[in-house]
Amino acid sequence: QKEVEQDPGPLSVPEGAIVSLNCTYSNSAFQYFMWYRQYSRKGPELLMYTYSSGNKEDGRFTAQVDKSSKYISLFIRDSQPSDSATYLCAMKDTGGGNKLTFGTGTQLKVEL
Amino acid sequence: DTAVSQTPKYLVTQMGNDKSIKCEQNLGHDTMYWYKQDSKKFLKIMFSYNNKELIINETVPNRFSPKSPDKAHLNLHINSLELGDSAVYFCASSPSGAPNYGYTFGSGTRLTVV
Repeated sequence: QKEVEQDPGPLSVPEGAIVSLNCTYSNSAFQYFMWYRQYSRKGPELLMYTYSSGNKEDGRFTAQVDKSSKYISLFIRDSQPSDSATYLCAMKDTGGGNKLTFGTGTQLKVEL
Repeated sequence: DTAVSQTPKYLVTQMGNDKSIKCEQNLGHDTMYWYKQDSKKFLKIMFSYNNKELIINETVPNRFSPKSPDKAHLNLHINSLELGDSAVYFCASSPSGAPNYGYTFGSGTRLTVV
């Protein structure tokens, strides 16, 4: 079993929908939580970062972390066709090396 | 003005060959990484260098050898290529000791071994 689990999708939603993407993890040492967006044939780009538990909002994106349940979420409001991409969660513990452990990614398609 | 650049973008080669992938970053970051992304989009770390020093070496076959001539460059050499090495290889960089910045990734090198 992988340290970080993520539903691979694909997830298809109509334009304007609210999208919920989720990851679960098993390593309680993870303290830093990130979401990356990866367009086809491109490298991942950092979308959101959260430290420990709580919520963080940035425009149409909200990241939530529930450390007690070992569960993180990314919500996308008013989804747009340009949001169509693979979304990867990533996590890091407080150890050295700055190593990120990634989920397998969820493929999202927002249709007109 | 590309932040993290990798060359080549595509690499098609035969089994048994030796190949190299180059990576350069102009962000002034101290730490660089190599990640492998398989066909299911799973990203797994291979190596990490901080100021030219190897700090992470995951379970990777000895056929893979990273080299960092300076903190702005991290190359990956692969000997005796196998079919299972086919994947997308991403270089990334980050400031050391600043997890909130995450990584900046290159656009990847798509390696196909035939």
